[in-house]
Order: sequence, then structure tokens, then C-alpha cells
Amino acid sequence: DAGVTQSPTHLIKTRGQQVTLRCSPKSGHDTVSWYQQALGQGPQFIFQYYEEEERQRGNFPDRFSGHQFPNYSSELNVNALLLGDSALYLCASSAPTTSYEQYFGPGTRLTVT
Amino acid sequence: GQNIDQPTEMTATEGAIVQINCTYQTSGFNGLFWYQQHAGEAPTFLSYNVLDGLEEKGRFSSFLSRSKGYSYLLLKELQMKDSASYLCAVKVNNNAGNMLTFGGGTRLMVKP
Repeated sequence: DAGVTQSPTHLIKTRGQQVTLRCSPKSGHDTVSWYQQALGQGPQFIFQYYEEEERQRGNFPDRFSGHQFPNYSSELNVNALLLGDSALYLCASSAPTTSYEQYFGPGTRLTVT
Repeated sequence: GQNIDQPTEMTATEGAIVQINCTYQTSGFNGLFWYQQHAGEAPTFLSYNVLDGLEEKGRFSSFLSRSKGYSYLLLKELQMKDSASYLCAVKVNNNAGNMLTFGGGTRLMVKP
């Protein structure tokens, strides 16, 4: 049973570019949340997707957008990259019956130069 | 909004006991989580408290006092592999899902 998977593992982009990160939830999970974790900080909630719709959103600008597909996988898109967007991007999935417990993927390390 | 505070760093000796505290201020509290995160890895779930009291799970225990907005994670018989960051996170009930708000994390260093 595969856990949460994310791709790519690492990514280097230039300021102003756009990036797409991908996440496949744990088998049986239908809810996907995205978090940004700066070095030495705790994760910050970006948004959550359920039934292919954004259900909740944290305090992030519109440059951050997402999508959930019918197979529950999800994408995080960031436009007009800034140096401050450099961080570890974590995806977490949860199941309908145990929605309180979120399982995290290994993350994508994004570096913006 | 929510405010979650925990110490930035702690050091303890192998075999000892360490307590990591977390205080929070939030409305619509609906549970407190502890996660362990090794450097460069994903956070892994340790415990979940929604009612007052102590939850014990092997060497790890977690305590919650909702009236005081306080929780702690207790690690017994410390091992070198317990060196990691420990994240306190609060779930807020807003009828829209299970968003977690994390503290900054406590970096625990276990020394021989």
C-alpha cells in the first residue's frame, strides 16, 4: 500500500517562472491538503481539496492555485515565483472516516533563484 | 486567528525523559496533534488529543488541558533516533475540513 507520493523531489526555478507540483494521496484517501514549510519553521497551510474543489484556503496569495483530479491526486501551481517561495512543499492526505489524521508525503524542495 | 507557541530547541540525554510544551490560543478548537519530523523528511503522526487528559502510546505520551490552552509531549527512555523536530498543531472546527495550524516546531537534540 503506497503512502502519499509527491513529484518532483527537488526543483530549481528562476524568479518570475511558474511551477507545478504533484501529489498522489494514500490509497483510500480522498482529501488532499498542501502546506509550505520554510527552513526551520513549521508547515503553513495553503489549501485543501475535496471532491475536486478547494474547500479551505490559508493566507496565501492568488499566485498559489491548485487542482484535484477524479482519482483524488492533486496539483499545486505557483505563478510569478518569488525568492520567498523557496521552501519544502508538503502534501497531506486524509480519509473520510479518520479525517483527523493526515498523512504527509516526502515533500518537494523548491528553490527559487 | 490562531497562535501556537513551543520552545525552539531542547537538548536531553540518551535514556532520560523530556517534556516538550505547547501553548495555543484559538477559537473553535477541535483537537491537538503532535508530529515528529526528521531533517529533510515528512512529518509523521505521533498523537492526537481532543479531550483533556493523558494519552499514552509506548515511549510517547501526550497531555492536553483545553481550559489552559496547553499540551505537552513526553518522551521516555530517549534514544538517539529521537533527535528530530517535534511539531504541535491545532485543528480548528470551521465546518470546512481539517486544516491544521502548526507551531514553529521544537528541535530536540539527544546526546549520548
